[in-house]
Amino acid sequence: KAGVTQTPRYLIKTRGQQVTLSCSPISGHRSVSWYQQTPGQGLQFLFEYFSETQRNKGNFPGRFSGRQFSNSRSEMNVSTLELGDSALYLCASSGYGSGSSGELFFGEGSRLTVL
Amino acid sequence: GQQVMQIPQYQHVQEGEDFTTYCNSSTTLSNIQWYKQRPGGHPVFLIQLVKSGEVKKQKRLTFQFGEAKKNSSLHITATQTTDVGTYFCAGHGNYQLIWGAGTKLIIKP
Repeated sequence: KAGVTQTPRYLIKTRGQQVTLSCSPISGHRSVSWYQQTPGQGLQFLFEYFSETQRNKGNFPGRFSGRQFSNSRSEMNVSTLELGDSALYLCASSGYGSGSSGELFFGEGSRLTVL
Repeated sequence: GQQVMQIPQYQHVQEGEDFTTYCNSSTTLSNIQWYKQRPGGHPVFLIQLVKSGEVKKQKRLTFQFGEAKKNSSLHITATQTTDVGTYFCAGHGNYQLIWGAGTKLIIKP
């Protein structure tokens, strides 16, 4: 069974630009969560989607948005990039929504550098 | 809001010494999960604890969930270089997964 796939793996942008990251969950998984991880920091929750609906949202500004498609693939978008947005963005899929408990399967992440 | 405090932030040990990380929640959790992230890698699920007072073992790793379901610990006996990484706890409460900040295990040369 293929794991969680995130694209692109690495990208460099400049301040003010926008970026879209993609996540393909494990086949059959309907829940996708996104996290931001900066050096030395833990995992900061961005949002969770389940069956195309945003179930939970973390404490991030409106510049961060996401969506989920009918095939469970998810994208997140960051507009008007700031230097502080440089981070590893991790996607995780689960066979359950956040209302239940289920292990998360993480992708390798997309490492964003903002210059 | 709900918080999960994880300590210590770092732990330096000699190879062969033991390692322990602790998580404390401000509220009762329905369950708690533990993940390991190797340097340069992504978090990988280790285990889930559900029952009050539960203790589970995986080889040299021992996981405990407190009686009140508000705290948990991970203990590694006789650390090896392969144990290096950051260990995260994540507790389920009120339909959200709340993450600890992680404990980084560093093996002294």
